[in-house]
Amino acid sequence: EPEVTQTPSHQVTQMGQEVILRCVPISNHLYFYWYRQILGQKVEFLVSFYNNEISEKSEIFDDQFSVERPDGSNFTLKIRSTKLEDSAMYFCASRPEQGVNTEAFFGQGTRLTVV
Amino acid sequence: GENVEQHPSTLSVQEGDSAVIKCTYSDSASNYFPWYKQELGKRPQLIIDIRSNVGEKKDQRIAVTLNKTAKHFSLHITETQPEDSAVYFCAARVTGFQKLVFGTGTRLLVSP
Repeated sequence: EPEVTQTPSHQVTQMGQEVILRCVPISNHLYFYWYRQILGQKVEFLVSFYNNEISEKSEIFDDQFSVERPDGSNFTLKIRSTKLEDSAMYFCASRPEQGVNTEAFFGQGTRLTVV
Repeated sequence: GENVEQHPSTLSVQEGDSAVIKCTYSDSASNYFPWYKQELGKRPQLIIDIRSNVGEKKDQRIAVTLNKTAKHFSLHITETQPEDSAVYFCAARVTGFQKLVFGTGTRLLVSP
């Protein structure tokens, strides 16, 4: 069964450093997402991406965040200058169809620890 | 924007009992309501979903009911088993938007 894959599984970074989290969505999917989950809390939406542009973003997704689909298969989340409060599990997700209520498939997550 | 409330935050049952988790949503334009199960340290996995044109959906031991008038939906697990122990999240998607808005989660513990 196809899966969304994320790398790395765990990233430790110094405060102020840039990090890039990588995702390979399921190949025929059209919508791509990043969510985050601070330890013990609910899953929060960050951004959605469709047709090579951001289609929706949350208040969390400020100027420190950016997303890119550099080569047609990878989907990346960059945090330019990490803060302690960016420590969380980051989930990538993808969805197959536009305009239809279909399931979002989640990757296994990248645990980001900012020290 | 949409807000999803979920109760209870923790639920302990004996194996074989039923478990019910309830969610309410605020935006009447929400039309898709998935339920995710998340085991410790793992990804959320969809266990069942319901669309706003349906009042109830069942899949073996799991069922979801939706009351659009009251803006609430519930997850029902019958004949619970220890492997049902996990955190369960409800979510809602508003028509015309892409994001899922998640509830705060329910930690279900099924004791043998």
